[in-house]
Amino acid sequence: DAMVIQNPRYQVTQFGKPVTLSCSQTLNHNVMYWYQQKSSQAPKLLFHYYDKDFNNEADTPDNFQSRRPNTSFCFLDIRSPGLGDAAMYLCATSKDRLQETQYFGPGTRLLVL
Amino acid sequence: QKEVEQNSGPLSVPEGAIASLNCTYSDRGSQSFFWYRQYSGKSPELIMSIYSNGDKEDGRFTAQLNKASQYVSLLIRDSQPSDSATYLCAVFPNAGNNRKLIWGLGTSLAVNP
Repeated sequence: DAMVIQNPRYQVTQFGKPVTLSCSQTLNHNVMYWYQQKSSQAPKLLFHYYDKDFNNEADTPDNFQSRRPNTSFCFLDIRSPGLGDAAMYLCATSKDRLQETQYFGPGTRLLVL
Repeated sequence: QKEVEQNSGPLSVPEGAIASLNCTYSDRGSQSFFWYRQYSGKSPELIMSIYSNGDKEDGRFTAQLNKASQYVSLLIRDSQPSDSATYLCAVFPNAGNNRKLIWGLGTSLAVNP
């Protein structure tokens, strides 16, 4: 089945220790998104790629970076995690346009010690 | 400021009843509307997308869109305990730069056996 896969599902890191979260998709979708979601809050868009074009949200901290080496894979790098970065990180894809349906991966739960 | 508003709940219904979830949005020109279900600790799962005024049915779920009144609702017939989750409404606005999905905070639904 076509799907969005995220690894790892759970990540524990130390304060200030860089971490990379990965996302892959077999849907062959052009758009990939990274969201941060904290408890009882709506998903917050960090950035998205339209093909190779990177679009950063204005309020995304510089601590968060992303790479999309090819159509199938996208990575979220947190350069120096703080306690406030503990959250669920969600990867999503949509086929061609931002207004189309977004399909989510299972998420990565990040814990910062 | 584009907004999507949902009653946070919890909405409690007995098993077998109809659950009615409502969502209002501020951008009158919005074109795409989505309902996602999110179980605790899991990622959002698409229930329904709707783009035109009126009703759209899929199994036990019916989405209703009224653009004149700027609301979209989700009806769940024959509610089951497995429907207990948070239901997120998301709207794609029609105007402005850097358009992105605008999310409500979700309505918590509890279906009691």
